[in-house]
Amino acid sequence: GQSLEQPSEVTAVEGAIVQINCTYQTSGFYGLSWYQQHDGGAPTFLSYNGLDGLEETGRFSSFLSRSDSYGYLLLQELQMKDSASYFCAVKGGTYKYIFGTGTRLKVLA
Amino acid sequence: NAGVTQTPKFQVLKTGQSMTLQCAQDMNHNSMYWYRQDPGMGLRLIYYSASEGTTDKGEVPNGYNVSRLNKREFSLRLESAAPSQTSVYFCASSEAVRGYHEQYFGPGTRLTVT
Repeated sequence: GQSLEQPSEVTAVEGAIVQINCTYQTSGFYGLSWYQQHDGGAPTFLSYNGLDGLEETGRFSSFLSRSDSYGYLLLQELQMKDSASYFCAVKGGTYKYIFGTGTRLKVLA
Repeated sequence: NAGVTQTPKFQVLKTGQSMTLQCAQDMNHNSMYWYRQDPGMGLRLIYYSASEGTTDKGEVPNGYNVSRLNKREFSLRLESAAPSQTSVYFCASSEAVRGYHEQYFGPGTRLTVT
């Protein structure tokens, strides 16, 4: 079968650093992406890793290890507006994306 | 530039009724997708259209049909709605950038089937 595992919930304080992990088991793998979704809103793209290593975009970084079937999203200098759900998604084919069940991040003041 | 738009935003159907969810994008993207999102289950791909004139099944296509009307529009039809189809439906579009399709999502349609 195909599965992506993420923690269901993470809590951190404003200004801190938080890491959200994602492990995957899929029949095809072309890359790992991350999306953010605020309550009642639509998912928005954050980052994509097609190769092993770290990708940095402002306060957000994403890492991939294909040999370990593992990736993570790192959020630095947390702000209240970062409170949202974060989804990892595997590109399992040219147009097929498999999403994880999401990690709800709560940022405390 | 509206991005991806969806209509309606909310809909309540009775079991057995039919309806079509509309989606349009103004970014000139070739690829479009339909997902459903249920609580605690993330997004699941229903159908996708790699380019105008083509459609393919995703992970959960049963009970749905799609039409890629033109490059801008991709509709999702429920022929005979069932309570199990109560969900939030998202349409998305994308274009390949460095081998990856960053997907742009519409605001969603919240569907309840009673």
